[in-house]
Amino acid sequence: ETLMTQSPATLSVSPGERATLSCRASQSVGSDLAWYQQKPGQAPRLLIHGASTRATGLPARFSGSGSGTEFTLTISSLQTEDFAVYYCQQYNNWPVTFGQGTKLEIK
Amino acid sequence: QVQLVQFGAEVKKPGASVKVSCKVSGYTLAKISMHWVRQAPGKGLEWMGGFQPADGQSIYAQRFQGRVTMTEDTATDTAYMELRSLRSEDTAVYYCVTGIGVDGRNYYFDYWGQGTLLTVSS
Repeated sequence: ETLMTQSPATLSVSPGERATLSCRASQSVGSDLAWYQQKPGQAPRLLIHGASTRATGLPARFSGSGSGTEFTLTISSLQTEDFAVYYCQQYNNWPVTFGQGTKLEIK
Repeated sequence: QVQLVQFGAEVKKPGASVKVSCKVSGYTLAKISMHWVRQAPGKGLEWMGGFQPADGQSIYAQRFQGRVTMTEDTATDTAYMELRSLRSEDTAVYYCVTGIGVDGRNYYFDYWGQGTLLTVSS
């Protein structure tokens, strides 16, 4: 099974600043990488698929990049509603697997 | 707009079974690849299995093989996930999710239900 490792576990950033979240796969997943956002008490929400394709309606401040084993989610100018837990997920190798999450908190 | 509606909570004893439901509205279940993802308290996300439209079969993660069954009632647009021989480690929120497939076996997930909290406790 493909192990997905996210870093850091917790990221403290001030509103208006840029946040960079990382996700590493234990083997190549091509560009078959999705990102999700989860707020407390809510279900996750799809943000990005295909490593860099934004979901419908997602603000342009969210961007994804990478391929193979290294991926990044960047939020260019943090809004208060962006503080949440973010998960990456690979869907190239069976079974699909998720990272353990990065908590983005207000500094 | 696809909506997935789940009931709030279930409480079961160890060794029992649970059948969680997920009602689809705004679309037709027969046209969806429905999957189930769970999340233990304070933990990450774990894919359990889902329906593969290509062959009309459900596929399950290895760790749940033999203990889980996923079914669909297309007449009522309701999907079900039955988990048997429950243990305390099965305490989690169970989400039904719609899968977008890339190769018939691997999916990412665009619509999520609100989740059903299953508590397994004696």
